[in-house]
Amino acid sequence: QLVQSGAEVKKPGASVKVSCKPSGDTFSTYGITWVRQAPGQGLEWLGWISPYDGNTTYAQRLQGRVTMTTDTSTSTAYMELRRLRSDDTALYYCACVDVSIYTFIQWGQGTLVTVSS
Amino acid sequence: QSALTHPASVSGSPGQSITISCTGTSSDVGTYTLVSWFQQHPGNAPKLIIYEDKKRPSGISNRFSGSMSGNTASLTISGLQAGDEAVYYCCSYAGNSTWVFGGGTRLTVL
Repeated sequence: QLVQSGAEVKKPGASVKVSCKPSGDTFSTYGITWVRQAPGQGLEWLGWISPYDGNTTYAQRLQGRVTMTTDTSTSTAYMELRRLRSDDTALYYCACVDVSIYTFIQWGQGTLVTVSS
Repeated sequence: QSALTHPASVSGSPGQSITISCTGTSSDVGTYTLVSWFQQHPGNAPKLIIYEDKKRPSGISNRFSGSMSGNTASLTISGLQAGDEAVYYCCSYAGNSTWVFGGGTRLTVL
């Protein structure tokens, strides 16, 4: 189970930080990926953080605006998106990455981020 | 990274079989045997139904099967049921710790 933080409303140019708390000792075993879904649209992979070394890889189109982190002391993952635009309005999901099979085995419930002036 | 290509929609009657294709490139689908399929019902998070092209997670019906040929992955659902009505997404590992999704196919059970 992954539990995400609640919905956010932000103005263009602001930042948002979404949290994701897995149950159990997830970070030692699984990576965390972030995926978003704009209203009525498909899934877009945003990036992930490796369980082994904490290294991150981000989708090219978000490079420079997104940061993904994990806090092992609170067992929480975070995704921060800066310089928000209206087309960042979407449902943001976190998911566990099983690196042995390169897929996303368990998903959070999603966090709606609305960017509006 | 370009999205994988799906048909926008498919439909079938209860009991029938349908196949959803997912076309990528030699940089993703064609290189890695690491295509996953996700099922998403309205208002719900995606759910993994196929991984590594053709393997099913525990608890997923054997009515769902995956296959691969060249740069195209396929999902076949046999014995269609009303509950199968959903949007289906393929997703491929694309190297260098990146993944790419398809645009999704809406399945309608007539």
